[in-house]
Amino acid sequence: LAKTTQPISMDSYEGQEVNITCSHNNIATNDYITWYQQFPSQGPRFIIQGYKTKVTNEVASLFIPADRKSSTLSLPRVSLSDTAVYYCLVGDRGGQGGKLIFGQGTELSVKP
Amino acid sequence: EAQVTQNPRYLITVTGKKLTVTCSQNMNHEYMSWYRQDPGLGLRQIYYSMNVEVTDKGDVPEGYKVSRKEKRNFPLILESPSPNQTSLYFCASSYRQGYEQYFGPGTRLTVT
Repeated sequence: LAKTTQPISMDSYEGQEVNITCSHNNIATNDYITWYQQFPSQGPRFIIQGYKTKVTNEVASLFIPADRKSSTLSLPRVSLSDTAVYYCLVGDRGGQGGKLIFGQGTELSVKP
Repeated sequence: EAQVTQNPRYLITVTGKKLTVTCSQNMNHEYMSWYRQDPGLGLRQIYYSMNVEVTDKGDVPEGYKVSRKEKRNFPLILESPSPNQTSLYFCASSYRQGYEQYFGPGTRLTVT
């Protein structure tokens, strides 16, 4: 299973774009990259998932370079409500292996 | 409404008294999983199930049991709880392994 490494914490201000990078050097061919958001005492919530290049949805973008050894979650124009912990997860989608390992997460603090 | 439910939400018990935390999903998902979350340690997978009657160990299975007799239910059993199992527990489900996971609201367990 690919291990992920993220910054422990990041600070930002309202209205700024925030980029959180996750390193996953041992990513396997069949692995997808998934990001979750978690508020205190709540279950994580899915943000975005991708395999390569760029994926965008209504809340975030995910950039994955050609070698796929890292990925960057981009949150445009953050607000105070984006203060949360963000987890990067790498795993085989729909394959034989069911084990999933979450990284330590990045605690994002958005200030006014 | 698509959801994952857990019961109880809060539980205080004593060492050695068997307990079960229930988890149920109404999305006909094949994959279900249990996690525990402790300060500074992130989310760690306890057990997962790829489908009915198929379960396997995650990263921290010691002291826990699970069963998957029906697709919608995935109870977590602590046969003889100990204080080091005091934690916040989350159940999650997804269409298949590696797809977007939906998390329950969490169960805060205290073992004295």
